[in-house]
Amino acid sequence: GEDVEQSLFLSVREGDSSVINCTYTDSSSTYLYWYKQEPGAGLQLLTYIFSNMDMKQDQRLTVLLNKKDKHLSLRIADTQTGDSAIYFCADSWGTGNQFYFGTGTSLTVIP
Amino acid sequence: DAGVTQSPTHLIKTRGQHVTLRCSPISGHKSVSWYQQVLGQGPQFIFQYYEKEERGRGNFPDRFSARQFPNYSSELNVNALLLGDSALYLCASSSTGISSNYGYTFGSGTRLTVV
Repeated sequence: GEDVEQSLFLSVREGDSSVINCTYTDSSSTYLYWYKQEPGAGLQLLTYIFSNMDMKQDQRLTVLLNKKDKHLSLRIADTQTGDSAIYFCADSWGTGNQFYFGTGTSLTVIP
Repeated sequence: DAGVTQSPTHLIKTRGQHVTLRCSPISGHKSVSWYQQVLGQGPQFIFQYYEKEERGRGNFPDRFSARQFPNYSSELNVNALLLGDSALYLCASSSTGISSNYGYTFGSGTRLTVV
């Protein structure tokens, strides 16, 4: 089955940029997504990228996709304390709309 | 407009018991999916339903079952509970049954603790 990998932890200072990385194995994905999970909450869709795109920018968020290396990254500019959360990349797979989620990256923003 | 609603929010059950979790999708959404999130891990796909038909099943034992009703709400049932079933169970709804730029909208989940 699909394997989606992320680094577990990232710590940055407020105002700096954060880069969260993800690798996946299924090359047939149509869309790839980034979700955010705050403590005790469900998952919030942050952004997505269509598989024929290399980059997508959405306000402070920039998504980069390298299909050759099956590598996805999320850059958060001017990181704020409210950005502290767990970030999941997700790869849609299968005939339906089934997601494989990564293990999640816990982002800590230091004031 | 209400988001995805799940009930109950928290639940404690004893090993061997049965549990039913409920989900109401966003109005107009016809696809409901269930995910299990064990502490410290990413969500794992359990089931997807679209238009009341099962569209996908993850690698979970037959103790797990689900259904979708004519109003598109859904139930997840787990029989013969094990300690390892303790997790956050997430329901997600989507307007389509296929991959799209809308992704899923997730509920806040049901925290199940098996003792």
